[in-house]
Amino acid sequence: KAGVTQTPRYLIKTRGQQVTLSCSPISGHRSVSWYQQTPGQGLQFLFEYFSETQRNKGNFPGRFSGRQFSNSRSEMNVSTLELGDSALYLCASSLEVGAKRNEQFFGPGTRLTVL
Amino acid sequence: GQNIDQPTEMTATEGAIVQINCTYQTSGFNGLFWYQQHAGEAPTFLSYNVLDGLEEKGRFSSFLSRSKGYSYLLLKELQMKDSASYLCAVRDSRGSQGNLIFGKGTKLSVKP
Repeated sequence: KAGVTQTPRYLIKTRGQQVTLSCSPISGHRSVSWYQQTPGQGLQFLFEYFSETQRNKGNFPGRFSGRQFSNSRSEMNVSTLELGDSALYLCASSLEVGAKRNEQFFGPGTRLTVL
Repeated sequence: GQNIDQPTEMTATEGAIVQINCTYQTSGFNGLFWYQQHAGEAPTFLSYNVLDGLEEKGRFSSFLSRSKGYSYLLLKELQMKDSASYLCAVRDSRGSQGNLIFGKGTKLSVKP
């Protein structure tokens, strides 16, 4: 069974540009969460999608947005990039929202560098 | 507010036992997770506790005390490959089931 895949793995952008990251969850998983990981702040929750609906959103500005498609694949977009957006963006999928035990399987991440 | 604290770094010797502590203050609680993350790799699931007590899985055990807002991860018979960051995460029951609040991680270095 294939794991969570994320594309691209590495990305270099300049300030002011926008970027779109893609995540394909494990087959059968309908919940997809996005996290930002930086050395200073650690892993921080961005948002979660289930059945094409955003279920929850973290404390990030409106420049960060996402969506989920009918096949559960998800994209996140960051507009008007800032230097501080340089981070590892991790996607995680889980089988069922609402279960007590809801292990998240993480993808390898997209390393975004903003120059 | 939401706060999860764990030591920044720890060092231990191959073959020894190490305990990584985690304290949390969250507005709700619906489970505590431990993840292992090797440098440059994605986090991988280690353990899950939702009730008080000890969960054992091979060389790894995790303990939870909800009344104290406290958990620890115990690693026995340390191996060099256990050198990694260990992340404590809490599911805030007020949030979505898929949302985890992470601590900043404990970097464990295992020396020969």
